[in-house]
Amino acid sequence: KQEVTQIPAALSVPEGENLVLNCSFTDSAIYNLQWFRQDPGKGLTSLLLIQSSQREQTSGRLNASLDKSSGRSTLYIAASQPGDSATYLCAVSVNDMRFGAGTRLTVKP
Amino acid sequence: GAGVSQSPRYKVAKRGQDVALRCDPISGHVSLFWYQQALGQGPEFLTYFQNEAQLDKSGLPSDRFFAERPEGSVSTLKIQRTQQEDSAVYLCASWTSGTVNTEAFFGQGTRLTVV
Repeated sequence: KQEVTQIPAALSVPEGENLVLNCSFTDSAIYNLQWFRQDPGKGLTSLLLIQSSQREQTSGRLNASLDKSSGRSTLYIAASQPGDSATYLCAVSVNDMRFGAGTRLTVKP
Repeated sequence: GAGVSQSPRYKVAKRGQDVALRCDPISGHVSLFWYQQALGQGPEFLTYFQNEAQLDKSGLPSDRFFAERPEGSVSTLKIQRTQQEDSAVYLCASWTSGTVNTEAFFGQGTRLTVV
């Protein structure tokens, strides 16, 4: 069974700092990996989708990498802002989509 | 519609009551998933439809949980004889294709509280 782990569980940083969120998964036979953002009381918003054949994807200040062989992905957030405060979830897809427990990010002004 | 729509947004049920949660996926989306998200946890897979066919229901926690998508569009998740441990946010997601190899779109969720 696919297990997805996210480290750290929570992170608090001052505004402007660059940061890295980590995601690891146990079964490397995946179709893709997706990073989501979840604000309190809200649904999930897709940030980046990396296909299994890709190594990274970029959108604005966000960069996600994928190393399928080692079962790892990182989400890099540059120049963090208070508006980035949310829970970040990674999910891997095989026949369905399995999620990690998320990293709760707080960016302090 | 513009996105995945779920209703109701909030539901309070007395223990033992039956509830029905509705998901309207993006028009034309083939695949539809239901997830259960407990407080402070990631979403846990419940069940998966491709059009009207329920291809995987291995995540449903008990036989009190039932999901359907009779015409391949709107889906309903029904929970019979609700228990306190059923309290969670129930999320619905849809995909354009028949596999999960495309971007997933999530609804806002239904927060169920069983008292």
